[in-house]
This record gives sequence, structure tokens and C-alpha cells, in this order.
Amino acid sequence: ETLLTQSPATLSLSPGERATLSCRATQSVGSNNFAWFQQKPGQSPRLLIYGASSRATGVPDRFSGSGSGTDFTLTISKVEPEDFAVYYCQQYGVSPYNFGQGTKLEIK
Amino acid sequence: QVQLVESGGGVVQPGGSLRLSCAASGFTFSSLGMHWVRQALGQRPEWVAFIQYDATKKYYADSVKGRFTISRDNSKNMVYLQMNNLRGDDTAVYYCVKPHVTLHMDVWGRGTTVTVSS
Repeated sequence: ETLLTQSPATLSLSPGERATLSCRATQSVGSNNFAWFQQKPGQSPRLLIYGASSRATGVPDRFSGSGSGTDFTLTISKVEPEDFAVYYCQQYGVSPYNFGQGTKLEIK
Repeated sequence: QVQLVESGGGVVQPGGSLRLSCAASGFTFSSLGMHWVRQALGQRPEWVAFIQYDATKKYYADSVKGRFTISRDNSKNMVYLQMNNLRGDDTAVYYCVKPHVTLHMDVWGRGTTVTVSS
């Protein structure tokens, strides 16, 4: 079973700053079957990135994903007010399709 | 557009049963597998179950194996989750999730809430 650990747990930034969120897997994630989701209070998770680095339809280009193997990163180049939310990583290569514990991006 | 609408949630006593339903539209349902994912309040999402497009293969999280059963009716564009012997830690919002052909979970329903409490 592949477990995912996200860091930091909370990231406090001001609008316009750069956000870097990390996720580490206990085993290599094959074929880069790795995704990032954004979740706002009361809403379902929203797919941002799949295949480790491909943006989902409609996702602004300030969001980018990188990494391979066991280490992955989500970067928001300049945080906008609507980006403050919780972000989850997930591997979907092998069952169980685990999620990380989340990083909360909050306003500084 | 793709739409997933869950129903069937509610309050149930420990040991009880519930059947969740998910109505799918806007895509070729019979060609894709489907997931159920749940999320307890303030917790990360937890994958629960997956059913292959033709129902020949089903996978479950260890936490629900032997208690939950996923099924589908391709003639009705419906996927179901039968939940038996429910426990307090099954309390969560349950989401129906469509995977893309390249496997990532690209569309989520709005969820239905299950509360297990006496």
C-alpha cells in the first residue's frame, strides 16, 4: 500500500506570493499516476493536476505540477484570493488509491 | 455536461444498512469504471470501492471489505453502494466519482451524507 505524506500541513501566504506544496510517497508511483485536488469548504474536491504535471480542463496556468517516483510538487506561481483552500495529493496507479492528509493554504 | 448525482444517505444505527445510488449522465457510462470515495468531516478523502465498466472486477478498501458491495446497472446509468453492518467510523460524505480513461478521478458528485449513530 502506497502512503502519501504532504508538507507543510499549513501554508500561510499573502496574495501574489508563490506557493510550493509537497507530497512524498512511500513507494514509487508508476506511470506518474499522480494527481492534485483543491477543496473549498462545503464543496467536492476539484481535480487540478493529473499525470503529475498535466492541468485539468479549466485550471489556470498559475497552477503547475512536477515530480516523479516518490516526490511530487504543486506550485501556484502567484496565489490569488480564490486559491485559499485545502489541497490533497493522490496516487491512482494501484489500489488502494490513497490521498495525502492535505495542506491548508491560508491567508497570512 | 457530465453529471453525477448521489442519493440514499441518511441517519442509521450502528449495525444497520443503507444503499447509496449514483445517477450518471453526460458520458458513455457503460464504457467506464466508477468509484465511491468518502470523506469524514475534517479528514482526507478515502477511496472506498471501484467497479469495472462491465462489473467483472470490483475492488474495495480494507476498511469496508466484506461489509460494502459496489454494483452497477448500465441500462440505467446507475452505480450503487450497498453498505451493511455500518459502524460509527463509516460516518462521512460519500462521493460518486468518474475516472477519466487515463484513470485519474476527474468528475465528482456533490456527495450524500451518511451518519451512523444511535
